[in-house]
Amino acid sequence: SQELEQSPQSLIVQEGKNLTINCTSSKTLYGLYWYKQKYGEGLIFLMMLQKGGEEKSHEKITAKLDEKKQQSSLHITASQPSHAGIYLCGADSSGAGSYQLTFGKGTKLSVIP
Amino acid sequence: GAGVSQSPSNKVTEKGKDVELRCDPISGHTALYWYRQRLGQGLEFLIYFQGNSAPDKSGLPSDRFSAERTGESVSTLTIQRTQQEDSAVYLCASSLWAGISGEAFFGQGTRLTVV
Repeated sequence: SQELEQSPQSLIVQEGKNLTINCTSSKTLYGLYWYKQKYGEGLIFLMMLQKGGEEKSHEKITAKLDEKKQQSSLHITASQPSHAGIYLCGADSSGAGSYQLTFGKGTKLSVIP
Repeated sequence: GAGVSQSPSNKVTEKGKDVELRCDPISGHTALYWYRQRLGQGLEFLIYFQGNSAPDKSGLPSDRFSAERTGESVSTLTIQRTQQEDSAVYLCASSLWAGISGEAFFGQGTRLTVV
């Protein structure tokens, strides 16, 4: 089965600093999804990447997909306290349009004002 | 409602008791998913519904787990004879159809604690 490894497991940054979270898959990535989880708010869909080299941005968050490395990175520019939370990557387990996602264990981000 | 709603938000139960977890998906979403997140672990896929049918139940951890969906709306996840290892946050999600599970909307989850 596909496994997703996220790094780092946790991250503490000063407000205004940039940071990167990585997600590496043990198998071919057909689709990679990034979510943010805040306690009591469930998972919030951030963005989806499907093609190698694809890069998407949402406000100050940018994600890239490197198909060859089977890896995606999430980059936050000029972090703010509102960025704090747990970031999860999820991937299609069997192909595009799969009903089943495999998730990483998450990266806990804390932003110090 | 505007989003996926789950109830209860928290549930503490004694080992051996049965529990029911409820999920109200976004109106019009034909696909509904159940995931489980145990402490320190990633999300585990349990089961999904397309309409009222669950084509794949292989993700359910044991035969103590069952789920149903009626009226292409509400879904109930039932755990019989709960065990301590069942303690987890159970997340429900819905999407327009099953092929776009990655863009599903998630509920806030039900935190189940088995004591």
